[in-house]
Amino acid sequence: GAVVSQHPSWVICKSGTSVKIECRSLDFQATTMFWYRQFPKQSLMLMATSNEGSKATYEQGVEKDKFLINHASLTLSTLTVTSAHPEDSSFYICSARDFIGTSGIDTQYFGPGTRLTVL
Amino acid sequence: GQNIDQPTEMTATEGAIVQINCTYQTSGFNGLFWYQQHAGEAPTFLSYNVLDGLEEKGRFSSFLSRSKGYSYLLLKELQMKDSASYLCAVRDRVSSGSARQLTFGSGTQLTVLP
Repeated sequence: GAVVSQHPSWVICKSGTSVKIECRSLDFQATTMFWYRQFPKQSLMLMATSNEGSKATYEQGVEKDKFLINHASLTLSTLTVTSAHPEDSSFYICSARDFIGTSGIDTQYFGPGTRLTVL
Repeated sequence: GQNIDQPTEMTATEGAIVQINCTYQTSGFNGLFWYQQHAGEAPTFLSYNVLDGLEEKGRFSSFLSRSKGYSYLLLKELQMKDSASYLCAVRDRVSSGSARQLTFGSGTQLTVLP
């Protein structure tokens, strides 16, 4: 099946610093990637849709200047949390859309997630 | 928009069968997905339904009724490793300028007891 990697798997940073998270599709090209956030015991909340070569589309309530998304190639999207604060501590998960379909269907495959803790 | 409901928790015994229900209300529908998520890990894809009926995949099966806005995930011969959260997700119909997105339910935490 399609494989998506994420780096780092966990990060601890001080309040006010910026953190970059990378999401890579390893064995397929993904024109579309999605960034989710998940708080403990809650479901995944879509933050933004990242399209290769164009600006990301953010969900209502998500600050685009705080969560910078860059999708520079068909296999890489990055999420930068700028000026992080303790309330940004969460589990961030990316997914990549496998449109051509290694599984035979148009679906999303998830990365392993990045646990961010802001002190 | 989408509204997706599924039970918060379920408990079953090893070797048994369990059915996890999901109901949805949607302004557009382009498929329903089931994902499994173990604690602290990302979701993994289990099944996909876009037409009415049952899709079987080994110990897991998923059913869809579009007219009723209803799906279920059936797990047979439960194993301890099946203890996880099961997420129902509905994909929007493609709208102009936007990619197809998944909206997730809150997840059903399944506990399998020995």
